[in-house]
Amino acid sequence: GDSVTQMEGPVTLSEEAFLTINCTYTATGYPSLFWYVQYPGEGLQLLLKATKADDKGSNKGFEATYRKETTSFHLEKGSVQVSDSAVYFCALTGQGAQKLVFGQGTRLTINP
Amino acid sequence: GAVVSQHPSRVICKSGTSVKIECRSLDFQATTMFWYRQFPKQSLMLMATSNEGSKATYEQGVEKDKFLINHASLTLSTLTVTSAHPEDSSFYICSAAPGQGYYEQYFGPGTRLTVT
Repeated sequence: GDSVTQMEGPVTLSEEAFLTINCTYTATGYPSLFWYVQYPGEGLQLLLKATKADDKGSNKGFEATYRKETTSFHLEKGSVQVSDSAVYFCALTGQGAQKLVFGQGTRLTINP
Repeated sequence: GAVVSQHPSRVICKSGTSVKIECRSLDFQATTMFWYRQFPKQSLMLMATSNEGSKATYEQGVEKDKFLINHASLTLSTLTVTSAHPEDSSFYICSAAPGQGYYEQYFGPGTRLTVT
């Protein structure tokens, strides 16, 4: 079945550092790919998405590119802030499907 | 827009009792709602999918008689944990989508259930 594997955390960085959280997937056909963020005590919020190969999703300085050749959707940000501290989930929906399949989540802590 | 609320945000109940969690879409009609369970430091596991007016579809391994889901209106779904046990303690999250098929899901803030 479909699955998502993401970089294990926790990840701790200093403010203004470069961030990469790796995400790879296994799916048939052409899934849609997502990054969700969960701030402490809150529900998940959609951060960005990409629905076809080579699409780049971006939001709040975060970017991820749908790479079908490497089945990856790595999350990047050039300069992180303390407010980016949260848990980040990579997820996919299968082609034509609505059910979300999540990775295990990566806890990110940014120190001032 | 696209706000989903859950009530209560936290609940503590005694073993053997039942507890109901509500999920509401506040500014859109949710044809489909999803219930997830999140264990500490782990990912979300889909428990069931419900379409308004239909029986919920449960994922493999989820006991439908223990986790009762009702989606009686286009803005409300409820999850009732029956005869709760300490192992049912978890963070329960709902999401709602404005249609069947591919629509973005909007997530509620979650409900922390503790069974003593």
